[in-house]
This record gives sequence, C-alpha cells and structure tokens, in this order.
Amino acid sequence: AQSVAQPEDQVNVAEGNPLTVKCTYSVSGNPYLFWYVQYPNRGLQFLLKYITGDNLVKGSYGFEAEFNKSQTSFHLKKPSALVSDSALYFCAVRDQAGTALIFGKGTTLSVSS
Amino acid sequence: GAVVSQHPSRVICKSGTSVKIECRSLDFQATTMFWYRQFPKQSLMLMATSNEGSKATYEQGVEKDKFLINHASLTLSTLTVTSAHPEDSSFYICSAQNSGNTIYFGEGSWLTVV
Repeated sequence: AQSVAQPEDQVNVAEGNPLTVKCTYSVSGNPYLFWYVQYPNRGLQFLLKYITGDNLVKGSYGFEAEFNKSQTSFHLKKPSALVSDSALYFCAVRDQAGTALIFGKGTTLSVSS
Repeated sequence: GAVVSQHPSRVICKSGTSVKIECRSLDFQATTMFWYRQFPKQSLMLMATSNEGSKATYEQGVEKDKFLINHASLTLSTLTVTSAHPEDSSFYICSAQNSGNTIYFGEGSWLTVV
C-alpha cells in the first residue's frame, strides 16, 4: 500500500530564510510524487511533480523539491521564504499514472516577517 | 493553465435532502476524476475514483448509495450527497488528471447540513 509521511505538523521560518518541508513516501513501484499548497478555505494548488528524470524538480513560486530514492524522500524547499508562502502544504504520491493521489497529513508553514 | 471548476463553492441544505456538486475540467478532457473529503485542518481522504462512461470506484468505508457519482462526459463529474445528515458536513474537493498525468484540483465545496 502507498503512504506518505509528513513528520512536521508545523514549520516556522523567518522571511528571507530558506525553508524545507519534509516528506517521505512508501510505494511498491516507481513513485509519482507531488506537492500541493492550500490556502484557507481554498482548493489545492499544484506546485510541482516528480515522475522521472532529474532528481531536482523546480516548480511554481520558486519552490523546488529533491527526489532521493535511497531515503525515499521528496522534501520541498525554497531558498528564500516569503510571508505569502504561509499556507498548508501537502505531499502526495501514487504508484502509477491514472490512479488517485494519496496525501500526507499536511504541514503548516508559517513565515514571519 | 489547466483549471478545474467546482460548483457550488458553498451550500447549505436541510437534513434529509440531497445536494449535487459539480466538477468540471475547463480546458482539458479528463477520463478520470477523483473526489476527496477534507475535515478541518486534516488531510484529504479519497472517497472515489470517477471514470467517464463507467461506474465509479469507491474507497472502503464510503457508501456508494449515499455518495452518488456520475461522470457523464469527459469534462464533468458530479457528486450527489443523498439524504444528507449533519455528519456529512465537510469540505469536498474534486480533481482531474490531464494527459500529462498532472492532477489539478477544484476550489472545493463547503457542505453544511442543518
């Protein structure tokens, strides 16, 4: 069975500092990995995905994520955080195209000015 | 970019009535759509996979007779909550997959059953 773990309920970072939101996964085959962001009372916005290819994936709004197969991780990163990045972030995985995403519990990112 | 539209964004209905939520892919065709339910400050729980032209596949524990899903075209899937009860109050989110295997989400629908 597929699963996603986001070990941190909340991440606090000062504006301008780098941020990392952690994600580890478990799938039986090759993983399809995704990051989404959710603002209050809104749907999910796609940030980036890893299907195959380069381990470093660049996405929207300056975010990037690094796929590490040996550590089964897909941590989300940004070199310089903005207050507007404050939101709920979800990591998601599936084991093949066409199947539903399985989500982690989410991590609340709080960026202080 | 790809857009998934969900309607209504908020709905209040009386206990015992039914309510329909629509999910549309606006600029791509989606043979598969997914319906999720989200409780406040919690993760998304997959309810069912909606397949165009065939029956939906429900996750374990989701009542298919209560949550009716119809995927009548390549751009529209509907979720009907039948005989709604207050415990059905939740945030329902749909998603659709494009040909590039990216999944886009709707803005969600808040259902309140009174």
